[in-house]
Amino acid sequence: SAVISQKPSRDICQRGTSLTIQCQVDSQVTMMFWYRQQPGQSLTLIATANQGSEATYESGFVIDKFPISRPNLTFSTLTVSNMSPEDSSIYLCSVALVDRANYGYTFGSGTRLTVV
Amino acid sequence: GEDVEQSLFLSVREGDSSVINCTYTDSSSTYLYWYKQEPGAGLQLLTYIFSNMDMKQDQRLTVLLNKKDKHLSLRIADTQTGDSAIYFCAESRDGATNKLIFGTGTLLAVQP
Repeated sequence: SAVISQKPSRDICQRGTSLTIQCQVDSQVTMMFWYRQQPGQSLTLIATANQGSEATYESGFVIDKFPISRPNLTFSTLTVSNMSPEDSSIYLCSVALVDRANYGYTFGSGTRLTVV
Repeated sequence: GEDVEQSLFLSVREGDSSVINCTYTDSSSTYLYWYKQEPGAGLQLLTYIFSNMDMKQDQRLTVLLNKKDKHLSLRIADTQTGDSAIYFCAESRDGATNKLIFGTGTLLAVQP
C-alpha cells in the first residue's frame, strides 16, 4: 500500500491567519481526497483533488475557504484560510489504491489544527 | 441519502469477542470498509468487503454483510487491550474513484 507523508502533524494558529497542509505520496495516484474530522466526530470529505483540473468540493465547503493545489500525481496541498476557532479539527489526506493485497483508501497521519 | 450509523460505545473484557455494528442507507454501495483509529493516530484500514459477499474472515476479524438489511458488522475474536480504539465503517460506490462515506464511529473499550 502507499505511504503518505502529511505535514505539519499539528499546529496552533491565530484566528484570521491561514495554514497550508502538505500531503506527499510515494506513488502516483489519480485522485487525492481531503477530509476533516472535527473533535469527537466522524470524517467528512472536504474535496477531491484531481491532477490537472480544479478540485471538486463537497456541499458546505468552498474554494475560497479551502483552496487546494494538485501540481502533480504525488503531491497536494490544502489551505485553511482566514481561520476561526471553528476550524479546529484534524485534517487528513487520503488516496485510493488497488493492488493484489489491498483494496481501499489509505490515509495520512493527519494534521491536528488548533485555532486560538 | 448517504447515512452511515454506528453505536457510539462498546465495552468488552479482554479475551471476549467484540461485535461492532453498522447500518447504511445507500443501496448502491458496492464497497464497505472497516477502519481503526487509535488516540492521536491516523486511520488504519482493517478490512473491506465487496457487496456481492456475505462474509469475509481475516485472522481475528470477521466481517458479515446483510445487503438486504444494509447491515454490516465487524467481529473481533479474543479481543485484546491493544484493540481499544475508535472503529469506523465506511462505504463507497467504487473502490478507487468515489468518496468514502464514514459512519459515526464506535469507541471500543477493552477492560483487562
